[in-house]
Amino acid sequence: AQTVTQSQPEMSVQEAETVTLSCTYDTSESDYYLFWYKQPPSRQMILVIRQEAYKQQNATENRFSVNFQKAAKSFSLKISDSQLGDAAMYFCAYRTLFNNNDMRFGAGTRLTVKP
Amino acid sequence: DTGVSQDPRHKITKRGQNVTFRCDPISEHNRLYWYRQTLGQGPEFLTYFQNEAQLEKSRLLSDRFSAERPKGSFSTLEIQRTEQGDSAMYLCASSSDFPEAFFGQGTRLTVV
Repeated sequence: AQTVTQSQPEMSVQEAETVTLSCTYDTSESDYYLFWYKQPPSRQMILVIRQEAYKQQNATENRFSVNFQKAAKSFSLKISDSQLGDAAMYFCAYRTLFNNNDMRFGAGTRLTVKP
Repeated sequence: DTGVSQDPRHKITKRGQNVTFRCDPISEHNRLYWYRQTLGQGPEFLTYFQNEAQLEKSRLLSDRFSAERPKGSFSTLEIQRTEQGDSAMYLCASSSDFPEAFFGQGTRLTVV
């Protein structure tokens, strides 16, 4: 069964600095999707970035980028120029290519941004 | 607002009572999901609909839980004879052809 592990329960970053959140996953499949979701306090979960496993190029969305290492089954999120609004829980998630219900989430990393 | 909408946002109920939550997905999305999230954990899959058909249910969904999606539009999640262990955030999400799911704000259930 696929599992997603986020080994950092909490992380802290100074405003304007860069932080990297870690995620590893376990799967026997070769094609899948990986996601980072952001959940601000008392607000809904929103998609930050998506990576297709068949793409070698790392996904980038403005200040957010990923380091996808397929062989190592690692999928880290880098947040550059951190802003106060980046403070939230961040969840790494995995979905198989062919099973639409099978999205597995990690336990999350709580990111604090210090002014 | 064209996002996923959930109602109510908060529900406090006494143990043993029944509760029902509603989810209105993004209108063009044919897939709808229910997740449960407890404090300090990521969402756990409960059940999945494609249009009006409930295609999969997690083992987490005991026989006290039932979900429906009549006419493939909104969905309801009912919990009968609530227990304290049911206290959690219940999240609804929807998707179409894209692999990512779009989440609602959730319903926080507290069983006292």
